[in-house]
Amino acid sequence: SQTIHQWPATLVQPVGSPLSLECTVEGTSNPNLYWYRQAAGRGLQLLFYSVGIGQISSEVPQNLSASRPQDRQFILSSKKLLLSDSGFYLCAWSLGGEKLFFGSGTQLSVL
Amino acid sequence: QKEVEQDPGPLSVPEGAIVSLNCTYSNSAFQYFMWYRQYSRKGPELLMYTYSSGNKEDGRFTAQVDKSSKYISLFIRDSQPSDSATYLCAMSASLDTGRRALTFGSGTRLQVQP
Repeated sequence: SQTIHQWPATLVQPVGSPLSLECTVEGTSNPNLYWYRQAAGRGLQLLFYSVGIGQISSEVPQNLSASRPQDRQFILSSKKLLLSDSGFYLCAWSLGGEKLFFGSGTQLSVL
Repeated sequence: QKEVEQDPGPLSVPEGAIVSLNCTYSNSAFQYFMWYRQYSRKGPELLMYTYSSGNKEDGRFTAQVDKSSKYISLFIRDSQPSDSATYLCAMSASLDTGRRALTFGSGTRLQVQP
């Protein structure tokens, strides 16, 4: 069966520091991969999606970037974090259909 | 106006009650409808999936879609304290690969009191 791993679960970073969140999927090949951000009391905002290695599409201009160095690995990065980058970050995968499967999330606090 | 509207709650009910959660939407092209359950500080998990109009039942959960009214519902029978979570509706217009045009509601927080 397919599983998705996302880490760390919690992260506290100072303003201006770099960020790297990693997500890996097991048990499937060629998944579509996604990074979402969820602000408190708000819906899910799609940040990036990828249909293959090295293929990244950005939904919202921001201080973040994403990379997909391997088929089942998706990385969210920032060179310098802003206070506004705080939030709950979720990685998700699909096989091109409409069903999304999410990781457990990373709570990022930028102080 | 948001594409998908969902009452944020919180909705508090006693154990054993029937719960009704709802979403309205404005995009008539939506034809795939989902409900996700999200426990605090966890990722959403897919609970129900329906295509087009009609009902779908899975145990204590029933998903209902009324495309003519642009209204979807999730009913929970015999609610349990373990059902306490935030419920997100989600919907999409097509089966295109790549960018999933999945639009989420903001979620309704449900509390089931023992």
